[in-house]
Amino acid sequence: EVQLLESGGGLIQPGGSLRLSCAASGFIFRNSAMSWVRQAPGKGLEWVSVVNGGGGITYHADSVKGRFTISRDNSKNTLFLQMNSLRADDTAVYYCARAPPGVATGTPELDYWGQGTLVTVSS
Amino acid sequence: QSVLTQSPSASGTPGQRVTISCSGSSSDIGSNYVYWYQQFPGTAPKLLIYRNDQRPSGVPDRFSGSKSGTSASLAISGLRSEDEADYYCAAWDDTLSGRVFGGGTKLTVL
Repeated sequence: EVQLLESGGGLIQPGGSLRLSCAASGFIFRNSAMSWVRQAPGKGLEWVSVVNGGGGITYHADSVKGRFTISRDNSKNTLFLQMNSLRADDTAVYYCARAPPGVATGTPELDYWGQGTLVTVSS
Repeated sequence: QSVLTQSPSASGTPGQRVTISCSGSSSDIGSNYVYWYQQFPGTAPKLLIYRNDQRPSGVPDRFSGSKSGTSASLAISGLRSEDEADYYCAAWDDTLSGRVFGGGTKLTVL
């Protein structure tokens, strides 16, 4: 059974940094591109970042480019999101999600999602 | 403001057929596949339709997707109370070189 379990969220002051983790199990982790998608309170979905299966190709939304970095450790089946220079509008539930094995890195097809971790940026 | 445009709300009565639309442009829906997600309050989104009209295993055939030009639709037939949820469309955008989501449609079953 595919499972994705996010952690690392919490309350952080503006300008601070936070590192989210997503522990994956139940599938061959290195075979799937992985993404972070966020959802601000009461708002819609926003794609944040994606990394290919090998970890060498990453893309970030313009809204987080230069501040957030996605990475993965395939030896530990774990996805990360390093978030720096956090702002109030980064407040959201952050989901990690899997693309089906073998599909393009940038695909909007995300077939498994974690339960999400809440990041609150506030002073 | 989302790149893909969805009506904020839709409604129907049990047994009815409801359609949720998603409007885009030539750089997203017009040249790429469309995906649909279902989300219940407080839970993660679930993939409902992929590549315009394909259903993942386990998704009832009451749900169907279609695409025409720069617009796409999600149809739900035989509406049930448990279909009450938020529905999001998504596509790749060639201009932005990234995924884009619609703003979501809240479906109410009256």
